[in-house]
Amino acid sequence: GAGVSQSPRYKVTKRGQDVTLRCDPISSHATLYWYQQALGQGPEFLTYFNYEAQPDKSGLPSDRFSAERPEGSISTLTIQRTEQRDSAMYRCASSLSDSYEQYFGPGTRLTVT
Amino acid sequence: EDKVVQSPLSLVVHEGDTVTLNCSYEVTNFRSLLWYKQEKKAPTFLFMLTSSGIEKKSGRLSSILDKKELFSILNITATQTGDSAVYLCAALGNYGQNFVFGPGTRLSALP
Repeated sequence: GAGVSQSPRYKVTKRGQDVTLRCDPISSHATLYWYQQALGQGPEFLTYFNYEAQPDKSGLPSDRFSAERPEGSISTLTIQRTEQRDSAMYRCASSLSDSYEQYFGPGTRLTVT
Repeated sequence: EDKVVQSPLSLVVHEGDTVTLNCSYEVTNFRSLLWYKQEKKAPTFLFMLTSSGIEKKSGRLSSILDKKELFSILNITATQTGDSAVYLCAALGNYGQNFVFGPGTRLSALP
């Protein structure tokens, strides 16, 4: 595609519900990243994929967070049993496998009430 | 723990001014430092720096890395109102693709 897209752009959910966020990277990009960005802060690394492999999950805050990229293209980030502290902007970025230049999506703003 | 610090956190200038934004880092086995500009939506890539002392330049923006002192600066000359944004720097160490971002510098360029 022309750029990285994410859906939904906004999500409001009640505490305790599960949410799934979607990222559609640039089609030629092998590497895909997920970040959490609090207001007024820089993005904080959650996890990344090389194609469908997920070499690094070290940034996922708890086992309630999981990500998938089963076919090496679209990725989902799932948060189970959401808590208010999960409220943040969730950003996806992608890059070519041999590049560190990341292209960011517009983000999904998650609000947990 | 790896960390990136940026200063100032916010800055107000007038059009035509020259600004210098600072980024210092502590990451294990540093590999690269990247600068991004974040306006209302997604961060957009500006520069990637890997070697000390080599200035990268794009129009009115330039950046340089000092690996001995562990910092980078981003310079903007003749600022324009369109330069108003948050400028993020991110450092990559030797641990996979775990980019560590700083908090950003919010630049406001007034007419």
